[in-house]
This record gives sequence, structure tokens and C-alpha cells, in this order.
Amino acid sequence: SQQGEEDPQALSIQEGENATMNCSYKTSINNLQWYRQNSGRGLVHLILIRSNEREKHSGRLRVTLDTSKKSSSLLITASRAADTASYFCATPPWTGANSKLTFGKGITLSVRP
Amino acid sequence: SQTIHQWPATLVQPVGSPLSLECTVEGTSNPNLYWYRQAAGRGLQLLFYSVGIGQISSEVPQNLSASRPQDRQFILSSKKLLLSDSGFYLCAWGGGNQPQHFGDGTRLSIL
Repeated sequence: SQQGEEDPQALSIQEGENATMNCSYKTSINNLQWYRQNSGRGLVHLILIRSNEREKHSGRLRVTLDTSKKSSSLLITASRAADTASYFCATPPWTGANSKLTFGKGITLSVRP
Repeated sequence: SQTIHQWPATLVQPVGSPLSLECTVEGTSNPNLYWYRQAAGRGLQLLFYSVGIGQISSEVPQNLSASRPQDRQFILSSKKLLLSDSGFYLCAWGGGNQPQHFGDGTRLSIL
């Protein structure tokens, strides 16, 4: 079953605008990860936020985690055309086989120049 | 630094033919290794993962199999491909409580 689900499914913005993408999950987690995938390529890890963290920054990326609402958001500030890609959230199971990740279906972000 | 190699980049195979996709990792020891499949415009489906040589966990019953003959080598195989096996196959190393690092993928088309 799907653990993480991203919202919206697709997002189109103008270059320079901010892009906000959301992820909801169903069960308790140790951490939540965000990945980017350019068309026809493998996924690239962006950021990992642990369950005891509420916010994390990396360059133009800001990730928040609300464990009470079982949700996370990824904010890309001052977007560029090169940010056009699909974005996925992923979580490991709370217990047991914590060596694997479950990915959401992804958000397609289009940044218009 | 660690690198992951996956080949071939594209593959066109007839229905019923065998398959072998290879993935190798450099610069790390005893990595967790993963095979995913991604249908067009969809998320990733975990097919197999391995936490050590000869240790394979299968997530989805199907006509695919995986093997790990060496510490940093992970192979995805099939004896007879089905049309439904078409997709984008991704190999990765890493973990669940740490980032995963992906290869560039193999686009498999079944005719």
C-alpha cells in the first residue's frame, strides 16, 4: 500500500516563484526523504528529515515535518527552469525492515522561463 | 566517492526472451542494494532488495529474479519476459534510515 502521497500531482509556476509540494503518510516514521527525478534519469536525494526535526534547510530548499498531522512539505524558493522535474517523498517503515523505502507517486513540477 | 553503474541504458527485447540487467557500486562496502521499476509517469515499485551477498528479499511476486553474486554487484534477471515487464528499471544503494543513491536506469521495452 502507498505510504507517502504527494500533493498536488502536477504544479506549473513561473520562474522566480516559490513552489510548495506536500506529502502525507499513514504510519509512524523514523524519517522522511525527498528526491528529485529529471526526465529519463535516476532519482537524486535532496534532503532527509528525521522524526524529531521540524524543519530543515538546504540551499533554496526548505522541508518541514509535522508528525502530528503525518505530513511534510517541500518548498523551493526562487524557482528556476532547471528545477523542472518530478519530486518524490519516501519513508522507511517504523519497525522491521527499515532498510527499505516506500515512495509516493510523485509531483511533476514545471517551471516556465 | 561512491558511484553506481547500471547498464544497459536502453534495451528492446521480444516477448519470451531472457533478461539480465547489471548494477555495480564502487567506493562502499556491504551496501544495501535495491531494484525498482517505474511505469511511465508513476512512482517507484520496489522489486528486490539485498542486505548482503546471497541475501535477496522479494517484494512483488512476478517472473523476475535477482541475485547478488558479489558484494557490490546486483543482477536482475528473467527467463521469459512478458509485455508487462516493460518499464524503467532503477538500481540503488543506501538504506531506509539513510539516503538512497540511484543509477541512471535502464529503459526496457518489450515487443
